[in-house]
Amino acid sequence: GAGVSQSPSNKVTEKGKDVELRCDPISGHTALYWYRQSLGQGLEFLIYFQGNSAPDKSGLPSDRFSAERTGGSVSTLTIQRTQQEDSAVYLCASSSSGGGYEQYFGPGTRLTVT
Amino acid sequence: TQLLEQSPQFLSIQEGENLTVYCNSSSVFSSLQWYRQEPGEGPVLLVTVVTGGEVKKLKRLTFQFGDARKDSSLHITAAQPGDTGLYLCAGSGFGNEKLTFGTGTRLTIIP
Repeated sequence: GAGVSQSPSNKVTEKGKDVELRCDPISGHTALYWYRQSLGQGLEFLIYFQGNSAPDKSGLPSDRFSAERTGGSVSTLTIQRTQQEDSAVYLCASSSSGGGYEQYFGPGTRLTVT
Repeated sequence: TQLLEQSPQFLSIQEGENLTVYCNSSSVFSSLQWYRQEPGEGPVLLVTVVTGGEVKKLKRLTFQFGDARKDSSLHITAAQPGDTGLYLCAGSGFGNEKLTFGTGTRLTIIP
């Protein structure tokens, strides 16, 4: 079956512009995660959606970052007034349930802020 | 906050050599996963260990979960260039807590 997809694969934007990154999780997966990865380093947790529960936003670095998940499926990560330090690969993952279940990752969106 | 420290951060060795990567924490985990990430792709799960002291083998890869479930190791025998990648451990807390990912080990196998 189809895996996790993300779009766009690459995004170049000017400092100060807003960007939206999209994630289509595996159908039926109730948990969805957003991570940020800089220069091939480890994963920085951003936000976690699990079913109808309130999202865990504890990893969002500033109020310029927000995310929503519509209808328990597609998710959009929005970065407002982008800064150069926002440049990174943004990875989305989904899981059949929350907690310690295996996470399936998308290929990521490489964001470059010029 | 649960933290998972991996060591070494970077490792570059010759093809055919053996290596071990460590994943350490002061926290107890209900289970621990290892992922491998190749350039341009997302991480992919290699194994999950759930019992203290558990050892799992995946071809040339051997994974061990510490007796106290606070640490884990990944041993690769006779490394191949295809083993090159970023290795991430991830610990699962109890209940519905999200996974905590380790700091990562970037492995390069030189042909």
